[in-house]
Amino acid sequence: QSALTQPASVSGSPGQSITISCTGTSSDVGNYNLVSWYQQHPGKAPQLMIYEVSKRPSGVSNRFSGSKSGNTASLTISGLQAEDEADYYCCSYAGSTTWVFGGGTKLTVL
Amino acid sequence: EAQLVESGGGLVQPGGSLRLSCAASGFSFSSYSMNWVRQAPGKGLEWVSYITSSSSNMYYADSVKGRFTISRDNAKNSLYLQMNSLRDEDTAVYYCARDVGYGFDIWGQGTMVTVSS
Repeated sequence: QSALTQPASVSGSPGQSITISCTGTSSDVGNYNLVSWYQQHPGKAPQLMIYEVSKRPSGVSNRFSGSKSGNTASLTISGLQAEDEADYYCCSYAGSTTWVFGGGTKLTVL
Repeated sequence: EAQLVESGGGLVQPGGSLRLSCAASGFSFSSYSMNWVRQAPGKGLEWVSYITSSSSNMYYADSVKGRFTISRDNAKNSLYLQMNSLRDEDTAVYYCARDVGYGFDIWGQGTMVTVSS
């Protein structure tokens, strides 16, 4: 149950696009299309932003999109806005009803 | 509105025990599997435990297996986490989260557990 690997930080200017990677193994990200992404503002609970690699829950902006290739999943945020500044975590099903999260990425909107 | 509210956190000495609770409202609690997820101060999220809707199956992260026990009472719309043999590294905010098969769609606000002498 090793954590998925994410960059510690990414940044972008308002209106730009950024991508956050999430690298796992063939036992988790590479083996299941059950990758989700969570946004967490300081002192708040996480919020589901993407599920099943690329699907958006109702109410989540279409500026958020997800993809996967092999053992690496990605979250792309287009048209960056100030309110997107937060921590982002990927999560993958890892078999035997267990889940593994990434270490988190701090997004700074410049 | 679906809501989860955790309680029971606090300061406990190493080797001690604590029982967390999570009260659900606004949805059919008995229809959903549930999870506990924790976050150490300044650190990332860590999945801790899962329980099916009927309590037929429970699963644990290796880091807590044998020390923590997840349970639920569907009549009381409540989820629990019994934590025994607590260690310094168990210090974290503990969240309960609703499981929808593909991820966790509803989270509580969290309850802080501090293990320290």
